[in-house]
Amino acid sequence: GALVYQYPRRTICKSGTSMRMECQAVGFQATSVAWYRQSPQKTFELIALSTVNSAIKYEQNFTQEKFPISHPNLSFSSMTVLNAYLEDRGLYLCGAGTDYAEQFFGPGTRLTVL
Amino acid sequence: GDQVEQSPSALSLHEGTGSALRCNFTTTMRAVQWFRKNSRGSLINLFYLASGTKENGRLKSAFDSKERYSTLHIRDAQLEDSGTYFCAAPLSGSFNKLTFGAGTRLAVCP
Repeated sequence: GALVYQYPRRTICKSGTSMRMECQAVGFQATSVAWYRQSPQKTFELIALSTVNSAIKYEQNFTQEKFPISHPNLSFSSMTVLNAYLEDRGLYLCGAGTDYAEQFFGPGTRLTVL
Repeated sequence: GDQVEQSPSALSLHEGTGSALRCNFTTTMRAVQWFRKNSRGSLINLFYLASGTKENGRLKSAFDSKERYSTLHIRDAQLEDSGTYFCAAPLSGSFNKLTFGAGTRLAVCP
């Protein structure tokens, strides 16, 4: 079956530092990977969508300069949170899928910023 | 504005009973997904519908694109059904960009 792994599951970083998180699709080839954030007391908010053979598209309020994403092949993606501050804390989810089909999610990376 | 309105925000059920969750959409959506967030924080895929209804065990989901809503029915609720349930629908222009409802926190009590 389709599985999505994320690493690390939890991370703590000091304010102003950066951290990188990874997403691995297993059992299927993900033509697209979307990164979401669930901040405390909020629902999931789309950060950016990375589609094979297309430029990565960031949603309003999110930028490549803050959340650079790498999507080198159909099974792997990584995102870095640069210069993290308190407002960046939350659960970061990776959703992978193919066009016109359901999306599968990893367990998320929970970021705590001290 | 919010494109997905999910209700109720919280629900408490006794074991063996049932209820329904609902998501209303402000625009026509092409599909809907339902997820359950388990105790470990993982989003578990429950249903993906482009139309009609689907049933899986004690869960049943319906999606009406024209009327702009989807429902998730739970019958004979068990303790392990507790968790937060989310609906999500693809944003216009891309099936891969989902907009999520706010979630329904379900507690099943003995």
